[in-house]
Amino acid sequence: TQLLEQSPQFLSIQEGENLTVYCNSSSVFSSLQWYRQEPGEGPVLLVTVVTGGEVKKLKRLTFQFGDARKDSSLHITAAQPGDTGLYLCAGIQGAQKLVFGQGTRLTINP
Amino acid sequence: KAGVTQTPRYLIKTRGQQVTLSCSPISGHRSVSWYQQTPGQGLQFLFEYFSETQRNKGNFPGRFSGRQFSNSRSEMNVSTLELGDSALYLCASSDARSTDTQYFGPGTRLTVL
Repeated sequence: TQLLEQSPQFLSIQEGENLTVYCNSSSVFSSLQWYRQEPGEGPVLLVTVVTGGEVKKLKRLTFQFGDARKDSSLHITAAQPGDTGLYLCAGIQGAQKLVFGQGTRLTINP
Repeated sequence: KAGVTQTPRYLIKTRGQQVTLSCSPISGHRSVSWYQQTPGQGLQFLFEYFSETQRNKGNFPGRFSGRQFSNSRSEMNVSTLELGDSALYLCASSDARSTDTQYFGPGTRLTVL
């Protein structure tokens, strides 16, 4: 059983479109992180959200942590081909252990 | 600073063999975590070492083991390899001040035939 469910698992859209990726759980996390992983590389941390209801922006990426700290979303505005990659959410539970979602494989077509 | 390095990058083994993977963390980082990534299960936590002691452990069989040296470099070992052990094995390091922020290496791609 996956503690963190990401949706959609696959997403292919045209350059310039907007998209939202969701990360849901029935468990509460002390904080939640989003990573991007490109082929042949390890995941790279994009953001950490800690407070319920928190919203963080990173250029065209907007991250939101749910009020109950059980879910999160990643919204990309005006997607570009460079946004292509595997997006992973990860929740931190006690003892600093990261629990990852299955990932969303995003493809932005020029 | 140099990033996290992992060796080897690719490895092919046969069932029943054992394998050792190596990870050198970012200079000054004392925490090293290992993860297994497969298409079916995603990224799963194996274990974490801090100052040469295993601090956390995931739900993997005893065939998976690790250790950390005094210079913070870490190795993981898988004995009696099974086909299902084929995966990308990722190592991540963090410093003691912010264990939430983990820096991943490029991984070792292990194929078991």
